[in-house]
Amino acid sequence: GAGVSQSPSNKVTEKGKDVELRCDPISGHTALYWYRQSLGQGLEFLIYFQGNSAPDKSGLPSDRFSAERTGGSVSTLTIQRTQQEDSAVYLCASSYLAGGIDEQYFGPGTRLTVT
Amino acid sequence: GESVGLHLPTLSVQEGDNSIINCAYSNSASDYFIWYKQESGKGPQFIIDIRSNMDKRQGQRVTVLLNKTVKHLSLQIAATQPGDSAVYFCAEKGAGNMLTFGGGTRLMVKP
Repeated sequence: GAGVSQSPSNKVTEKGKDVELRCDPISGHTALYWYRQSLGQGLEFLIYFQGNSAPDKSGLPSDRFSAERTGGSVSTLTIQRTQQEDSAVYLCASSYLAGGIDEQYFGPGTRLTVT
Repeated sequence: GESVGLHLPTLSVQEGDNSIINCAYSNSASDYFIWYKQESGKGPQFIIDIRSNMDKRQGQRVTVLLNKTVKHLSLQIAATQPGDSAVYFCAEKGAGNMLTFGGGTRLMVKP
């Protein structure tokens, strides 16, 4: 079946502009995660959605970052007034929590470059 | 704060040899650990996981070992193949559902 998809695959934007990154999770997955991966680095947790519960926003680095998940499916990560340090690959993952095991399936990521 | 880290940033092995990738974690409350493989230009791919009540778990050509006494996790790949070349991340899950990832180890397989 289809995996997690993200769009766009690449985004180049000027400093100060707003960007929106989209994630389509696997159908039926109740949990959705956003991570950031800087060049040569590990993954940094940003935000987590689970069902209808309030999202866990503890990883968002600043108030310029926000995310929403509509209808329990598609999610959009928005970065306002982008800065050069926002340049990274933004990864989305989804999972279906069962028995406490949470195998997260990752999308291919969106590479964001802020010039 | 709590963290997960790796001992070796790059590991180079000969095709056919066994590979061992190590990971240290500091959160003794973590109850679930995962290894991910990330190929260039792709998102991380789940390889194998292990609960904290286990010491060892085997998959196809891969084995994960968990030593809770020294908070150490390892991934063993048998008969390493060129297709195994990638960056490998360990991740841990403590309270809640958030995964904390290590910095990654690059595995290079020489033909």
